[in-house]
Amino acid sequence: AQSVSQHNHHVILSEAASLELGCNYSYGGTVNLFWYVQYPGQHLQLLLKYFSGDPLVKGIKGFEAEFIKSKFSFNLRKPSVQWSDTAEYFCAVRESDTGRRALTFGSGTRLQVQP
Amino acid sequence: KAGVTQTPRYLIKTRGQQVTLSCSPISGHRSVSWYQQTPGQGLQFLFEYFSETQRNKGNFPGRFSGRQFSNSRSEMNVSTLELGDSALYLCASSLTGEGRPQHFGDGTRLSIL
Repeated sequence: AQSVSQHNHHVILSEAASLELGCNYSYGGTVNLFWYVQYPGQHLQLLLKYFSGDPLVKGIKGFEAEFIKSKFSFNLRKPSVQWSDTAEYFCAVRESDTGRRALTFGSGTRLQVQP
Repeated sequence: KAGVTQTPRYLIKTRGQQVTLSCSPISGHRSVSWYQQTPGQGLQFLFEYFSETQRNKGNFPGRFSGRQFSNSRSEMNVSTLELGDSALYLCASSLTGEGRPQHFGDGTRLSIL
């Protein structure tokens, strides 16, 4: 079965530090890739997505992610984090060539940004 | 545009009871998916409905079932509740088509005593 790995479970950064969160998946076919964010007390929100074209995708709030097909990776980056980025981040993968719309999620990374 | 609406927000039940959760998708979204979120297992896919038909099902026992109505609203039912069913149940809706993301509701937090 498809699996998604997020290697960092808890990350603590100071404001203005750079961020990179890892995401690797196992499915060998065509994929759609997503990063969602869950701020404290709020619902999951889409940060960015990749489904075709330029493997470097830009999302909201200054986040970007790069799809590297050969590494089955879709890492999330932000050059300078803010205190308001404190949240839990989830990577998700959809097997787009199967017609299944189900998302397989990683276990999440809790980001804590200290002022 | 209203988001995905889930009711109720909180629910407390006892073992052996059954429960029904409701989800109203974003207007125009015909695909509705359900997920279970727990601290131990994370976010796990339950099932997906489109045009009143279940298209995919995750690896959950038959006690978990769902349906979708002609207006795309969906319900999820869990029978013979067990302590391990305590979780946040999330509903997500989407448009169909390549790359369309799922939009999530706030969830229903179900606690089993």
